[in-house]
Amino acid sequence: TQLLEQSPQFLSIQEGENLTVYCNSSSVFSSLQWYRQEPGEGPVLLVTVVTGGEVKKLKRLTFQFGDARKDSSLHITAAQPGDTGLYLCAVTLGGNAGNMLTFGGGTRLMVKP
Amino acid sequence: NAGVTQTPKFRVLKTGQSMTLLCAQDMNHEYMYWYRQDPGMGLRLIHYSVGEGTTAKGEVPDGYNVSRLKKQNFLLGLESAAPSQTSVYFCASSYGLAGAYEQFFGPGTRLTVL
Repeated sequence: TQLLEQSPQFLSIQEGENLTVYCNSSSVFSSLQWYRQEPGEGPVLLVTVVTGGEVKKLKRLTFQFGDARKDSSLHITAAQPGDTGLYLCAVTLGGNAGNMLTFGGGTRLMVKP
Repeated sequence: NAGVTQTPKFRVLKTGQSMTLLCAQDMNHEYMYWYRQDPGMGLRLIHYSVGEGTTAKGEVPDGYNVSRLKKQNFLLGLESAAPSQTSVYFCASSYGLAGAYEQFFGPGTRLTVL
């Protein structure tokens, strides 16, 4: 069983549609990050959330950290083909594990023109 | 700045062969990491380093060794490659603690072990 469960695993939509992807766990996290990875490249950080209930916006992307700091969602408004990629959430548990990021399995998004 | 670079980009090994993957960063970061990425499993941490001369085990360290002799370089070694080590390997670096600071990733090394 993975620490982080991301859903859905795959999502194929048309340009202009809205979508939400999720990152869930039963554990509490000190922080959570979202990364996007394009084919043939390494992941690139989109956002870091640290406070329960926090909402951050990055252009058409809205990130929310759950009140209990156990889950997060990423909502994309009016998706564009450039949003295509693998979306990964990653967490640190803090304490002795504070130097390590644990990643979810990712949501692979394809936006068709 | 080149950021994080990895060499080689691709490699094919036979079972039992050895090889070293090189990671270099020019951002003066203290922290460096090696991950492997397999389909549907995200990235899993192999080893990491919090400074020159220090290394520590991550989630999946078996079969790998690392060295951080210089601050800007982090080497990942496979002493006797196995087919289960077929994967894409990513190196990353950060200024400080994971989760509090952004990790910058290299472009990856695609390794196939036959």
